Amino acid sequence: EVQLVESGGGLVQPGGSLRLSCAASGFTFSTYNMYWVRQAPGKGLEWVSYISTSSSAIYYADSVKGRFTISRDNAKNSLYLQMNSLTAEDTAVYYCARRIADQTAKAFDYWGQGTLVTVSS
Amino acid sequence: EIVMTQSPATLSVSPGERATLSCRASQSVSSNLAWYQRKPGQAPRLLIYGASTRATGIPARFSGGGSGTEFTLTISSLQSEDFALYYCQQYNNWYTFGQGTKLEIK
Repeated sequence: EVQLVESGGGLVQPGGSLRLSCAASGFTFSTYNMYWVRQAPGKGLEWVSYISTSSSAIYYADSVKGRFTISRDNAKNSLYLQMNSLTAEDTAVYYCARRIADQTAKAFDYWGQGTLVTVSS
Repeated sequence: EIVMTQSPATLSVSPGERATLSCRASQSVSSNLAWYQRKPGQAPRLLIYGASTRATGIPARFSGGGSGTEFTLTISSLQSEDFALYYCQQYNNWYTFGQGTKLEIK
């Protein structure tokens, strides 16, 4: 069974940092491209970042570019999101998601349950 | 940024009836569109990708259609477990999601 379990969320002050983790199991993690997606309270889903299987391709939404860093450790079956210079606008539930294996599509076929990040003083 | 607009915001349908949800893109996304189902406390579930391809394990009562800027998700005979929130997403130009349609029991 495919499982994605996020951790690392919590309360952080504006300007602070946080590192999210996503533990993957039930599939060959190293062969799948991965994403982070977030949903702020009362708002819609927002794509945050993408990383390819070998970390050779990495992309960010403009809203987090220069502040967030995505990474992965295929040996540990883990995905990470280092978040720096956090603001209240970064308050959201953060999800990791797997890209579908079908190379013709870029949909997200499995998602984790999410971890809540609250930026507040 | 491509804006995805879903309608209606809430759809009330009786079990056993047909439900049709709409999604419009602010510019053409070709067939690069997905639909997701989301229930309270659960992770989103991929239903449809490529506008009309059912994801693995998705029942045949779910079907997707459209291309370009206009898309639909149809659930042919609503089951109790289908009442949920539904999102569309384009992946033609980065990734953006619609605000969702809540499918509720009439």
